[in-house]
Amino acid sequence: GNSVTQMEGPVTLSEEAFLTINCTYTATGYPSLSWYVQYPGEGLQLLLKATKADDKGSNKGFEATYRKETTSFHLEKGSVQVSDSAVYFCALSPPLNFGNEKLTFGTGTRLTIIP
Amino acid sequence: AAGVIQSPRHLIKEKRETATLKCYPIPRHDTVYWYQQGPGQDPQFLISFYEKMQSDKGSIPDRFSAQQFSDYHSELNMSSLELGDSALYFCASSPRGQMNTEAFFGQGTRLTVV
Repeated sequence: GNSVTQMEGPVTLSEEAFLTINCTYTATGYPSLSWYVQYPGEGLQLLLKATKADDKGSNKGFEATYRKETTSFHLEKGSVQVSDSAVYFCALSPPLNFGNEKLTFGTGTRLTIIP
Repeated sequence: AAGVIQSPRHLIKEKRETATLKCYPIPRHDTVYWYQQGPGQDPQFLISFYEKMQSDKGSIPDRFSAQQFSDYHSELNMSSLELGDSALYFCASSPRGQMNTEAFFGQGTRLTVV
């Protein structure tokens, strides 16, 4: 079945540091991949997405590239801010197949940025 | 812009009681998904509906049931509550077949069973 393996946390970085959160997946076919962010007490928000190999999703300075050869979708940001502190979830959705497009989430990585 | 509305935001119930969680999707979204997120856990898929019919089922206990109504809102009914049911319950909505690109999550209902 489909699964997502995500870098375990927690991760603590200083402000302006470079961030990488690793995510690899197992799936048949060509799934869509996304990153969600969850701020304290809030729901999940879509951060970025990629729907096919070599696509790069980007938003708010975060980027992730869909690498089919390594089955990865690592999240990166060049200079993190305190406001980026949150839990980040990598997620997979199977190829368009009506009735089965639910998201499968990784275990989440808690990121804390210290001033 | 309208978002996914969940009610109530917080709910405290005793063991063996019942609870009903409601989800109002974004207008023109016809697909609803329910997820359960335990403390420090990743969200686990429970069940989904498309056009008022169940479209997929995950790890939903038999004590739980759900339905989608003609106005596309959905309700998750939970009976014989157990301590382990304490979790954050998310609802998400999307247009059909666009879960990964156009899905929006509600803020969740935090259920505490005591």
